[in-house]
This record gives sequence, C-alpha cells and structure tokens, in this order.
Amino acid sequence: KAGVTQTPRYLIKTRGQQVTLSCSPISGHRSVSWYQQTPGQGLQFLFEYFSETQRNKGNFPGRFSGRQFSNSRSEMNVSTLELGDSALYLCASSLSPSGNGGELFFGEGSRLTVL
Amino acid sequence: TQLLEQSPQFLSIQEGENLTVYCNSSSVFSSLQWYRQEPGEGPVLLVTVVTGGEVKKLKRLTFQFGDARKDSSLHITAAQPGDTGLYLCAGVQPSGSRLTFGEGTQLTVNP
Repeated sequence: KAGVTQTPRYLIKTRGQQVTLSCSPISGHRSVSWYQQTPGQGLQFLFEYFSETQRNKGNFPGRFSGRQFSNSRSEMNVSTLELGDSALYLCASSLSPSGNGGELFFGEGSRLTVL
Repeated sequence: TQLLEQSPQFLSIQEGENLTVYCNSSSVFSSLQWYRQEPGEGPVLLVTVVTGGEVKKLKRLTFQFGDARKDSSLHITAAQPGDTGLYLCAGVQPSGSRLTFGEGTQLTVNP
C-alpha cells in the first residue's frame, strides 16, 4: 500500500512569507502528527490530529497551525516566516493516536529553507 | 530539558566494531520505541518494547528496556556501513497522550 506522502518535498521562501505543507496519510490511518526536525534538535512535536480534531499541540508560536480534513489528509501552515523556521517538516500517520504507543509511519518530509 | 536523553549524540566507528546507544529518562514509560532515519528519508520503526527488563533482538541489533521502564539501550554487534543513520528513541508516559522523541544518536560506520 502507498506510504505517507508529503508535498512539496523542497521549497524556498523569504522572511515574512507564509507556507502550506500537505500530508496524505496511509489509507485507513486517522491520526496525523507533525514534527519539525533541525540539526541537533531531534524531532520537535508540532501537533497531532485524529479524526479532524487536534489532540495535542507542541510549544510552537501561533504562527504554526494545522488542520485535518475528513479524508484524513492534513495540512500545516506557517505564517510570517522567520529564518529559524528553516527545517525538515515531517508528517507521520498511524491507525490510532500516538499516545496508544502504536507505530508511526513517516513521510520523507518537506524541506523548507527561509532566506 | 529533554524528557528523553540520548547518548552519545554522535558516534563514528569502524566496520566490525560493537556499539551501544542509550536512551535515559527520569520518567516511567508505558512503552518505548526505537526508530532509524537514513539521509533523505523519514524515521522507520525498528522495535517497540513494553515490559520492564524486556530484551528484543533484530539480527545484529539488541534492544533492552530497563527494569524500571525509565531507560533503554540499543546494542549493535559487528556494525556495518548500512547501519549508518540517526537512531531515535521515543516513548509514551502512562499519563501521556502522545509519543515523545529523544534528540537522537547520529551513527556513522566507516568501511
């Protein structure tokens, strides 16, 4: 079966712009989690959605937002981009919420560069 | 302060050597997972441990969950260049609602 698909894979933006990233989970998975990955910082949790509801939110400013659609696809948006937002953004899907301890299936990520 | 502390942060060894990576916390976890991430890809699950003292083997990789369920280790025997990658531990606390990741150990195995 198809894996988790993230688009776009690479993008370059300038400070002050906004960006929308998309994630299509594995068919049948209802939970989608988003992470920011930067060198030396590991995976920083952004938010998790299950059945269109945000279950958890990490310690990121309000410029970071997300949503999940009825088909479980998810988007995240970052407004007023800053240089420090340059990172690899990873999406992961799972059958049930991550707090249940089940396996997360990750996409290849969207690499954002802010100039 | 990270909930899960991984050590070492970086490790560079020669092919054929053995190594151990640690994942420590002061908190108890219901379960703990290990993922490996290769360049240009997302992390992939290697194993899940749920019982204190549990030991799981995956070919040359041995995973152990501490008796108190606060720590875990990953031991690789006779490392190969294909083992190169970022190793991440992740856990769920009994009262937690989500998976928490450590910062990872970047392993490089030189031929």
